[in-house]
Amino acid sequence: SQQGEEDPQALSIQEGENATMNCSYKTSINNLQWYRQNSGRGLVHLILIRSNEREKHSGRLRVTLDTSKKSSSLLITASRAADTASYFCATASLKGGFKTIFGAGTRLFVKA
Amino acid sequence: DAEITQSPRHKITETGRQVTLACHQTWNHNNMFWYRQDLGHGLRLIHYSYGVQDTNKGEVSDGYSVSRSNTEDLPLTLESAASSQTSVYFCASSRTGRTGELFFGEGSRLTVL
Repeated sequence: SQQGEEDPQALSIQEGENATMNCSYKTSINNLQWYRQNSGRGLVHLILIRSNEREKHSGRLRVTLDTSKKSSSLLITASRAADTASYFCATASLKGGFKTIFGAGTRLFVKA
Repeated sequence: DAEITQSPRHKITETGRQVTLACHQTWNHNNMFWYRQDLGHGLRLIHYSYGVQDTNKGEVSDGYSVSRSNTEDLPLTLESAASSQTSVYFCASSRTGRTGELFFGEGSRLTVL
């Protein structure tokens, strides 16, 4: 079963707007990661946030983590048409053998 | 440049046939993983390995097997292909620890008729 659940399942915005995607998970984690997948391609790692961190930035990306609510959000600022892709959160847990489990993803469409 | 490659990229097979999907990485990563991706399910872990001769079952391992005879390769075998195994398969490896960043291949699309 999936550990992370993304919300919304799909998001359509205009170029220049900000895009926010949310991820909720069920059990305690070691870290949470966000990945991007362009259509027909493999996943590409975007950012990793550890369980003792609350916020992390990388370029136009901002990730927050609230372990008390078991949730994370990914904010993409000033979106571009090239940001159109699916975005997945993945949780890594020490329990059950150090596995990294993915959610079903959010499909982002940025209109030019 | 170091990379992770999967082959074949596309395969069509018949129910009951044995199929092997290859995964080769040149990063010298100890940790390697196989996932399948289906609409509505995201990526689900099939098998994983933390080093040579080490293999472990993931959440959807039934009907699949892997072997790890060297650091670079983790082939995935479908012993007797079933239509339910039609999917896109992704191989990944990780460098730092067992819960670190994953590097993915481009995927292998398998259709079982």
